[in-house]
Amino acid sequence: TQLLEQSPQFLSIQEGENLTVYCNSSSVFSSLQWYRQEPGEGPVLLVTVVTGGEVKKLKRLTFQFGDARKDSSLHITAAQPGDTGLYLCAGAQGGSEKLVFGKGTKLTVNP
Amino acid sequence: EAQVTQNPRYLITVTGKKLTVTCSQNMNHEYMSWYRQDPGLGLRQIYYSMNVEVTDKGDVPEGYKVSRKEKRNFPLILESPSPNQTSLYFCASSSSGLAAKNIQYFGAGTRLSVL
Repeated sequence: TQLLEQSPQFLSIQEGENLTVYCNSSSVFSSLQWYRQEPGEGPVLLVTVVTGGEVKKLKRLTFQFGDARKDSSLHITAAQPGDTGLYLCAGAQGGSEKLVFGKGTKLTVNP
Repeated sequence: EAQVTQNPRYLITVTGKKLTVTCSQNMNHEYMSWYRQDPGLGLRQIYYSMNVEVTDKGDVPEGYKVSRKEKRNFPLILESPSPNQTSLYFCASSSSGLAAKNIQYFGAGTRLSVL
């Protein structure tokens, strides 16, 4: 059973479109992280959210942590080809230093 | 430059032949971790270490060993590799535990094939 469910699994859009990626769980997380991974490289951390209801913005990317700390979303405004990659969410449960990853969303932004 | 260095980057071996994948970080980080990434399964944590001589199991520790004798190094040992350990492996480190807002840095990965 996957602890963190990411959707959609694949997303192909045109440059300039907006998109949202979801990360859902029935479990509560003390913190949740979003990463982007490009082919042949390791994941790179984009953001960490720790407070229920927290919203963080990173240029055209907006991250939200659900009030109950069970889900999160990543919204990209006016997507660009450079946003292409595998987006991963990962959560740490309270009192544990173990990190659980979702299976990822493979985003392709076509010029 | 902050770096997590894994070696080798690519490895082909045979069933049962012991191997070690090395991982080294130059940031004086306390937390280090190993993951494997498989198609359709995503990234899964194998082992992690909160500090020297402190290690703990992740979600898929079977068939793997680790050691943390020095702060900078965290080798992954496969005593008797099997084909189901064919995977892409990543080492990562962060200044302290994940509950805090710490950046976790990943190495470039080691692609292992066990024949």
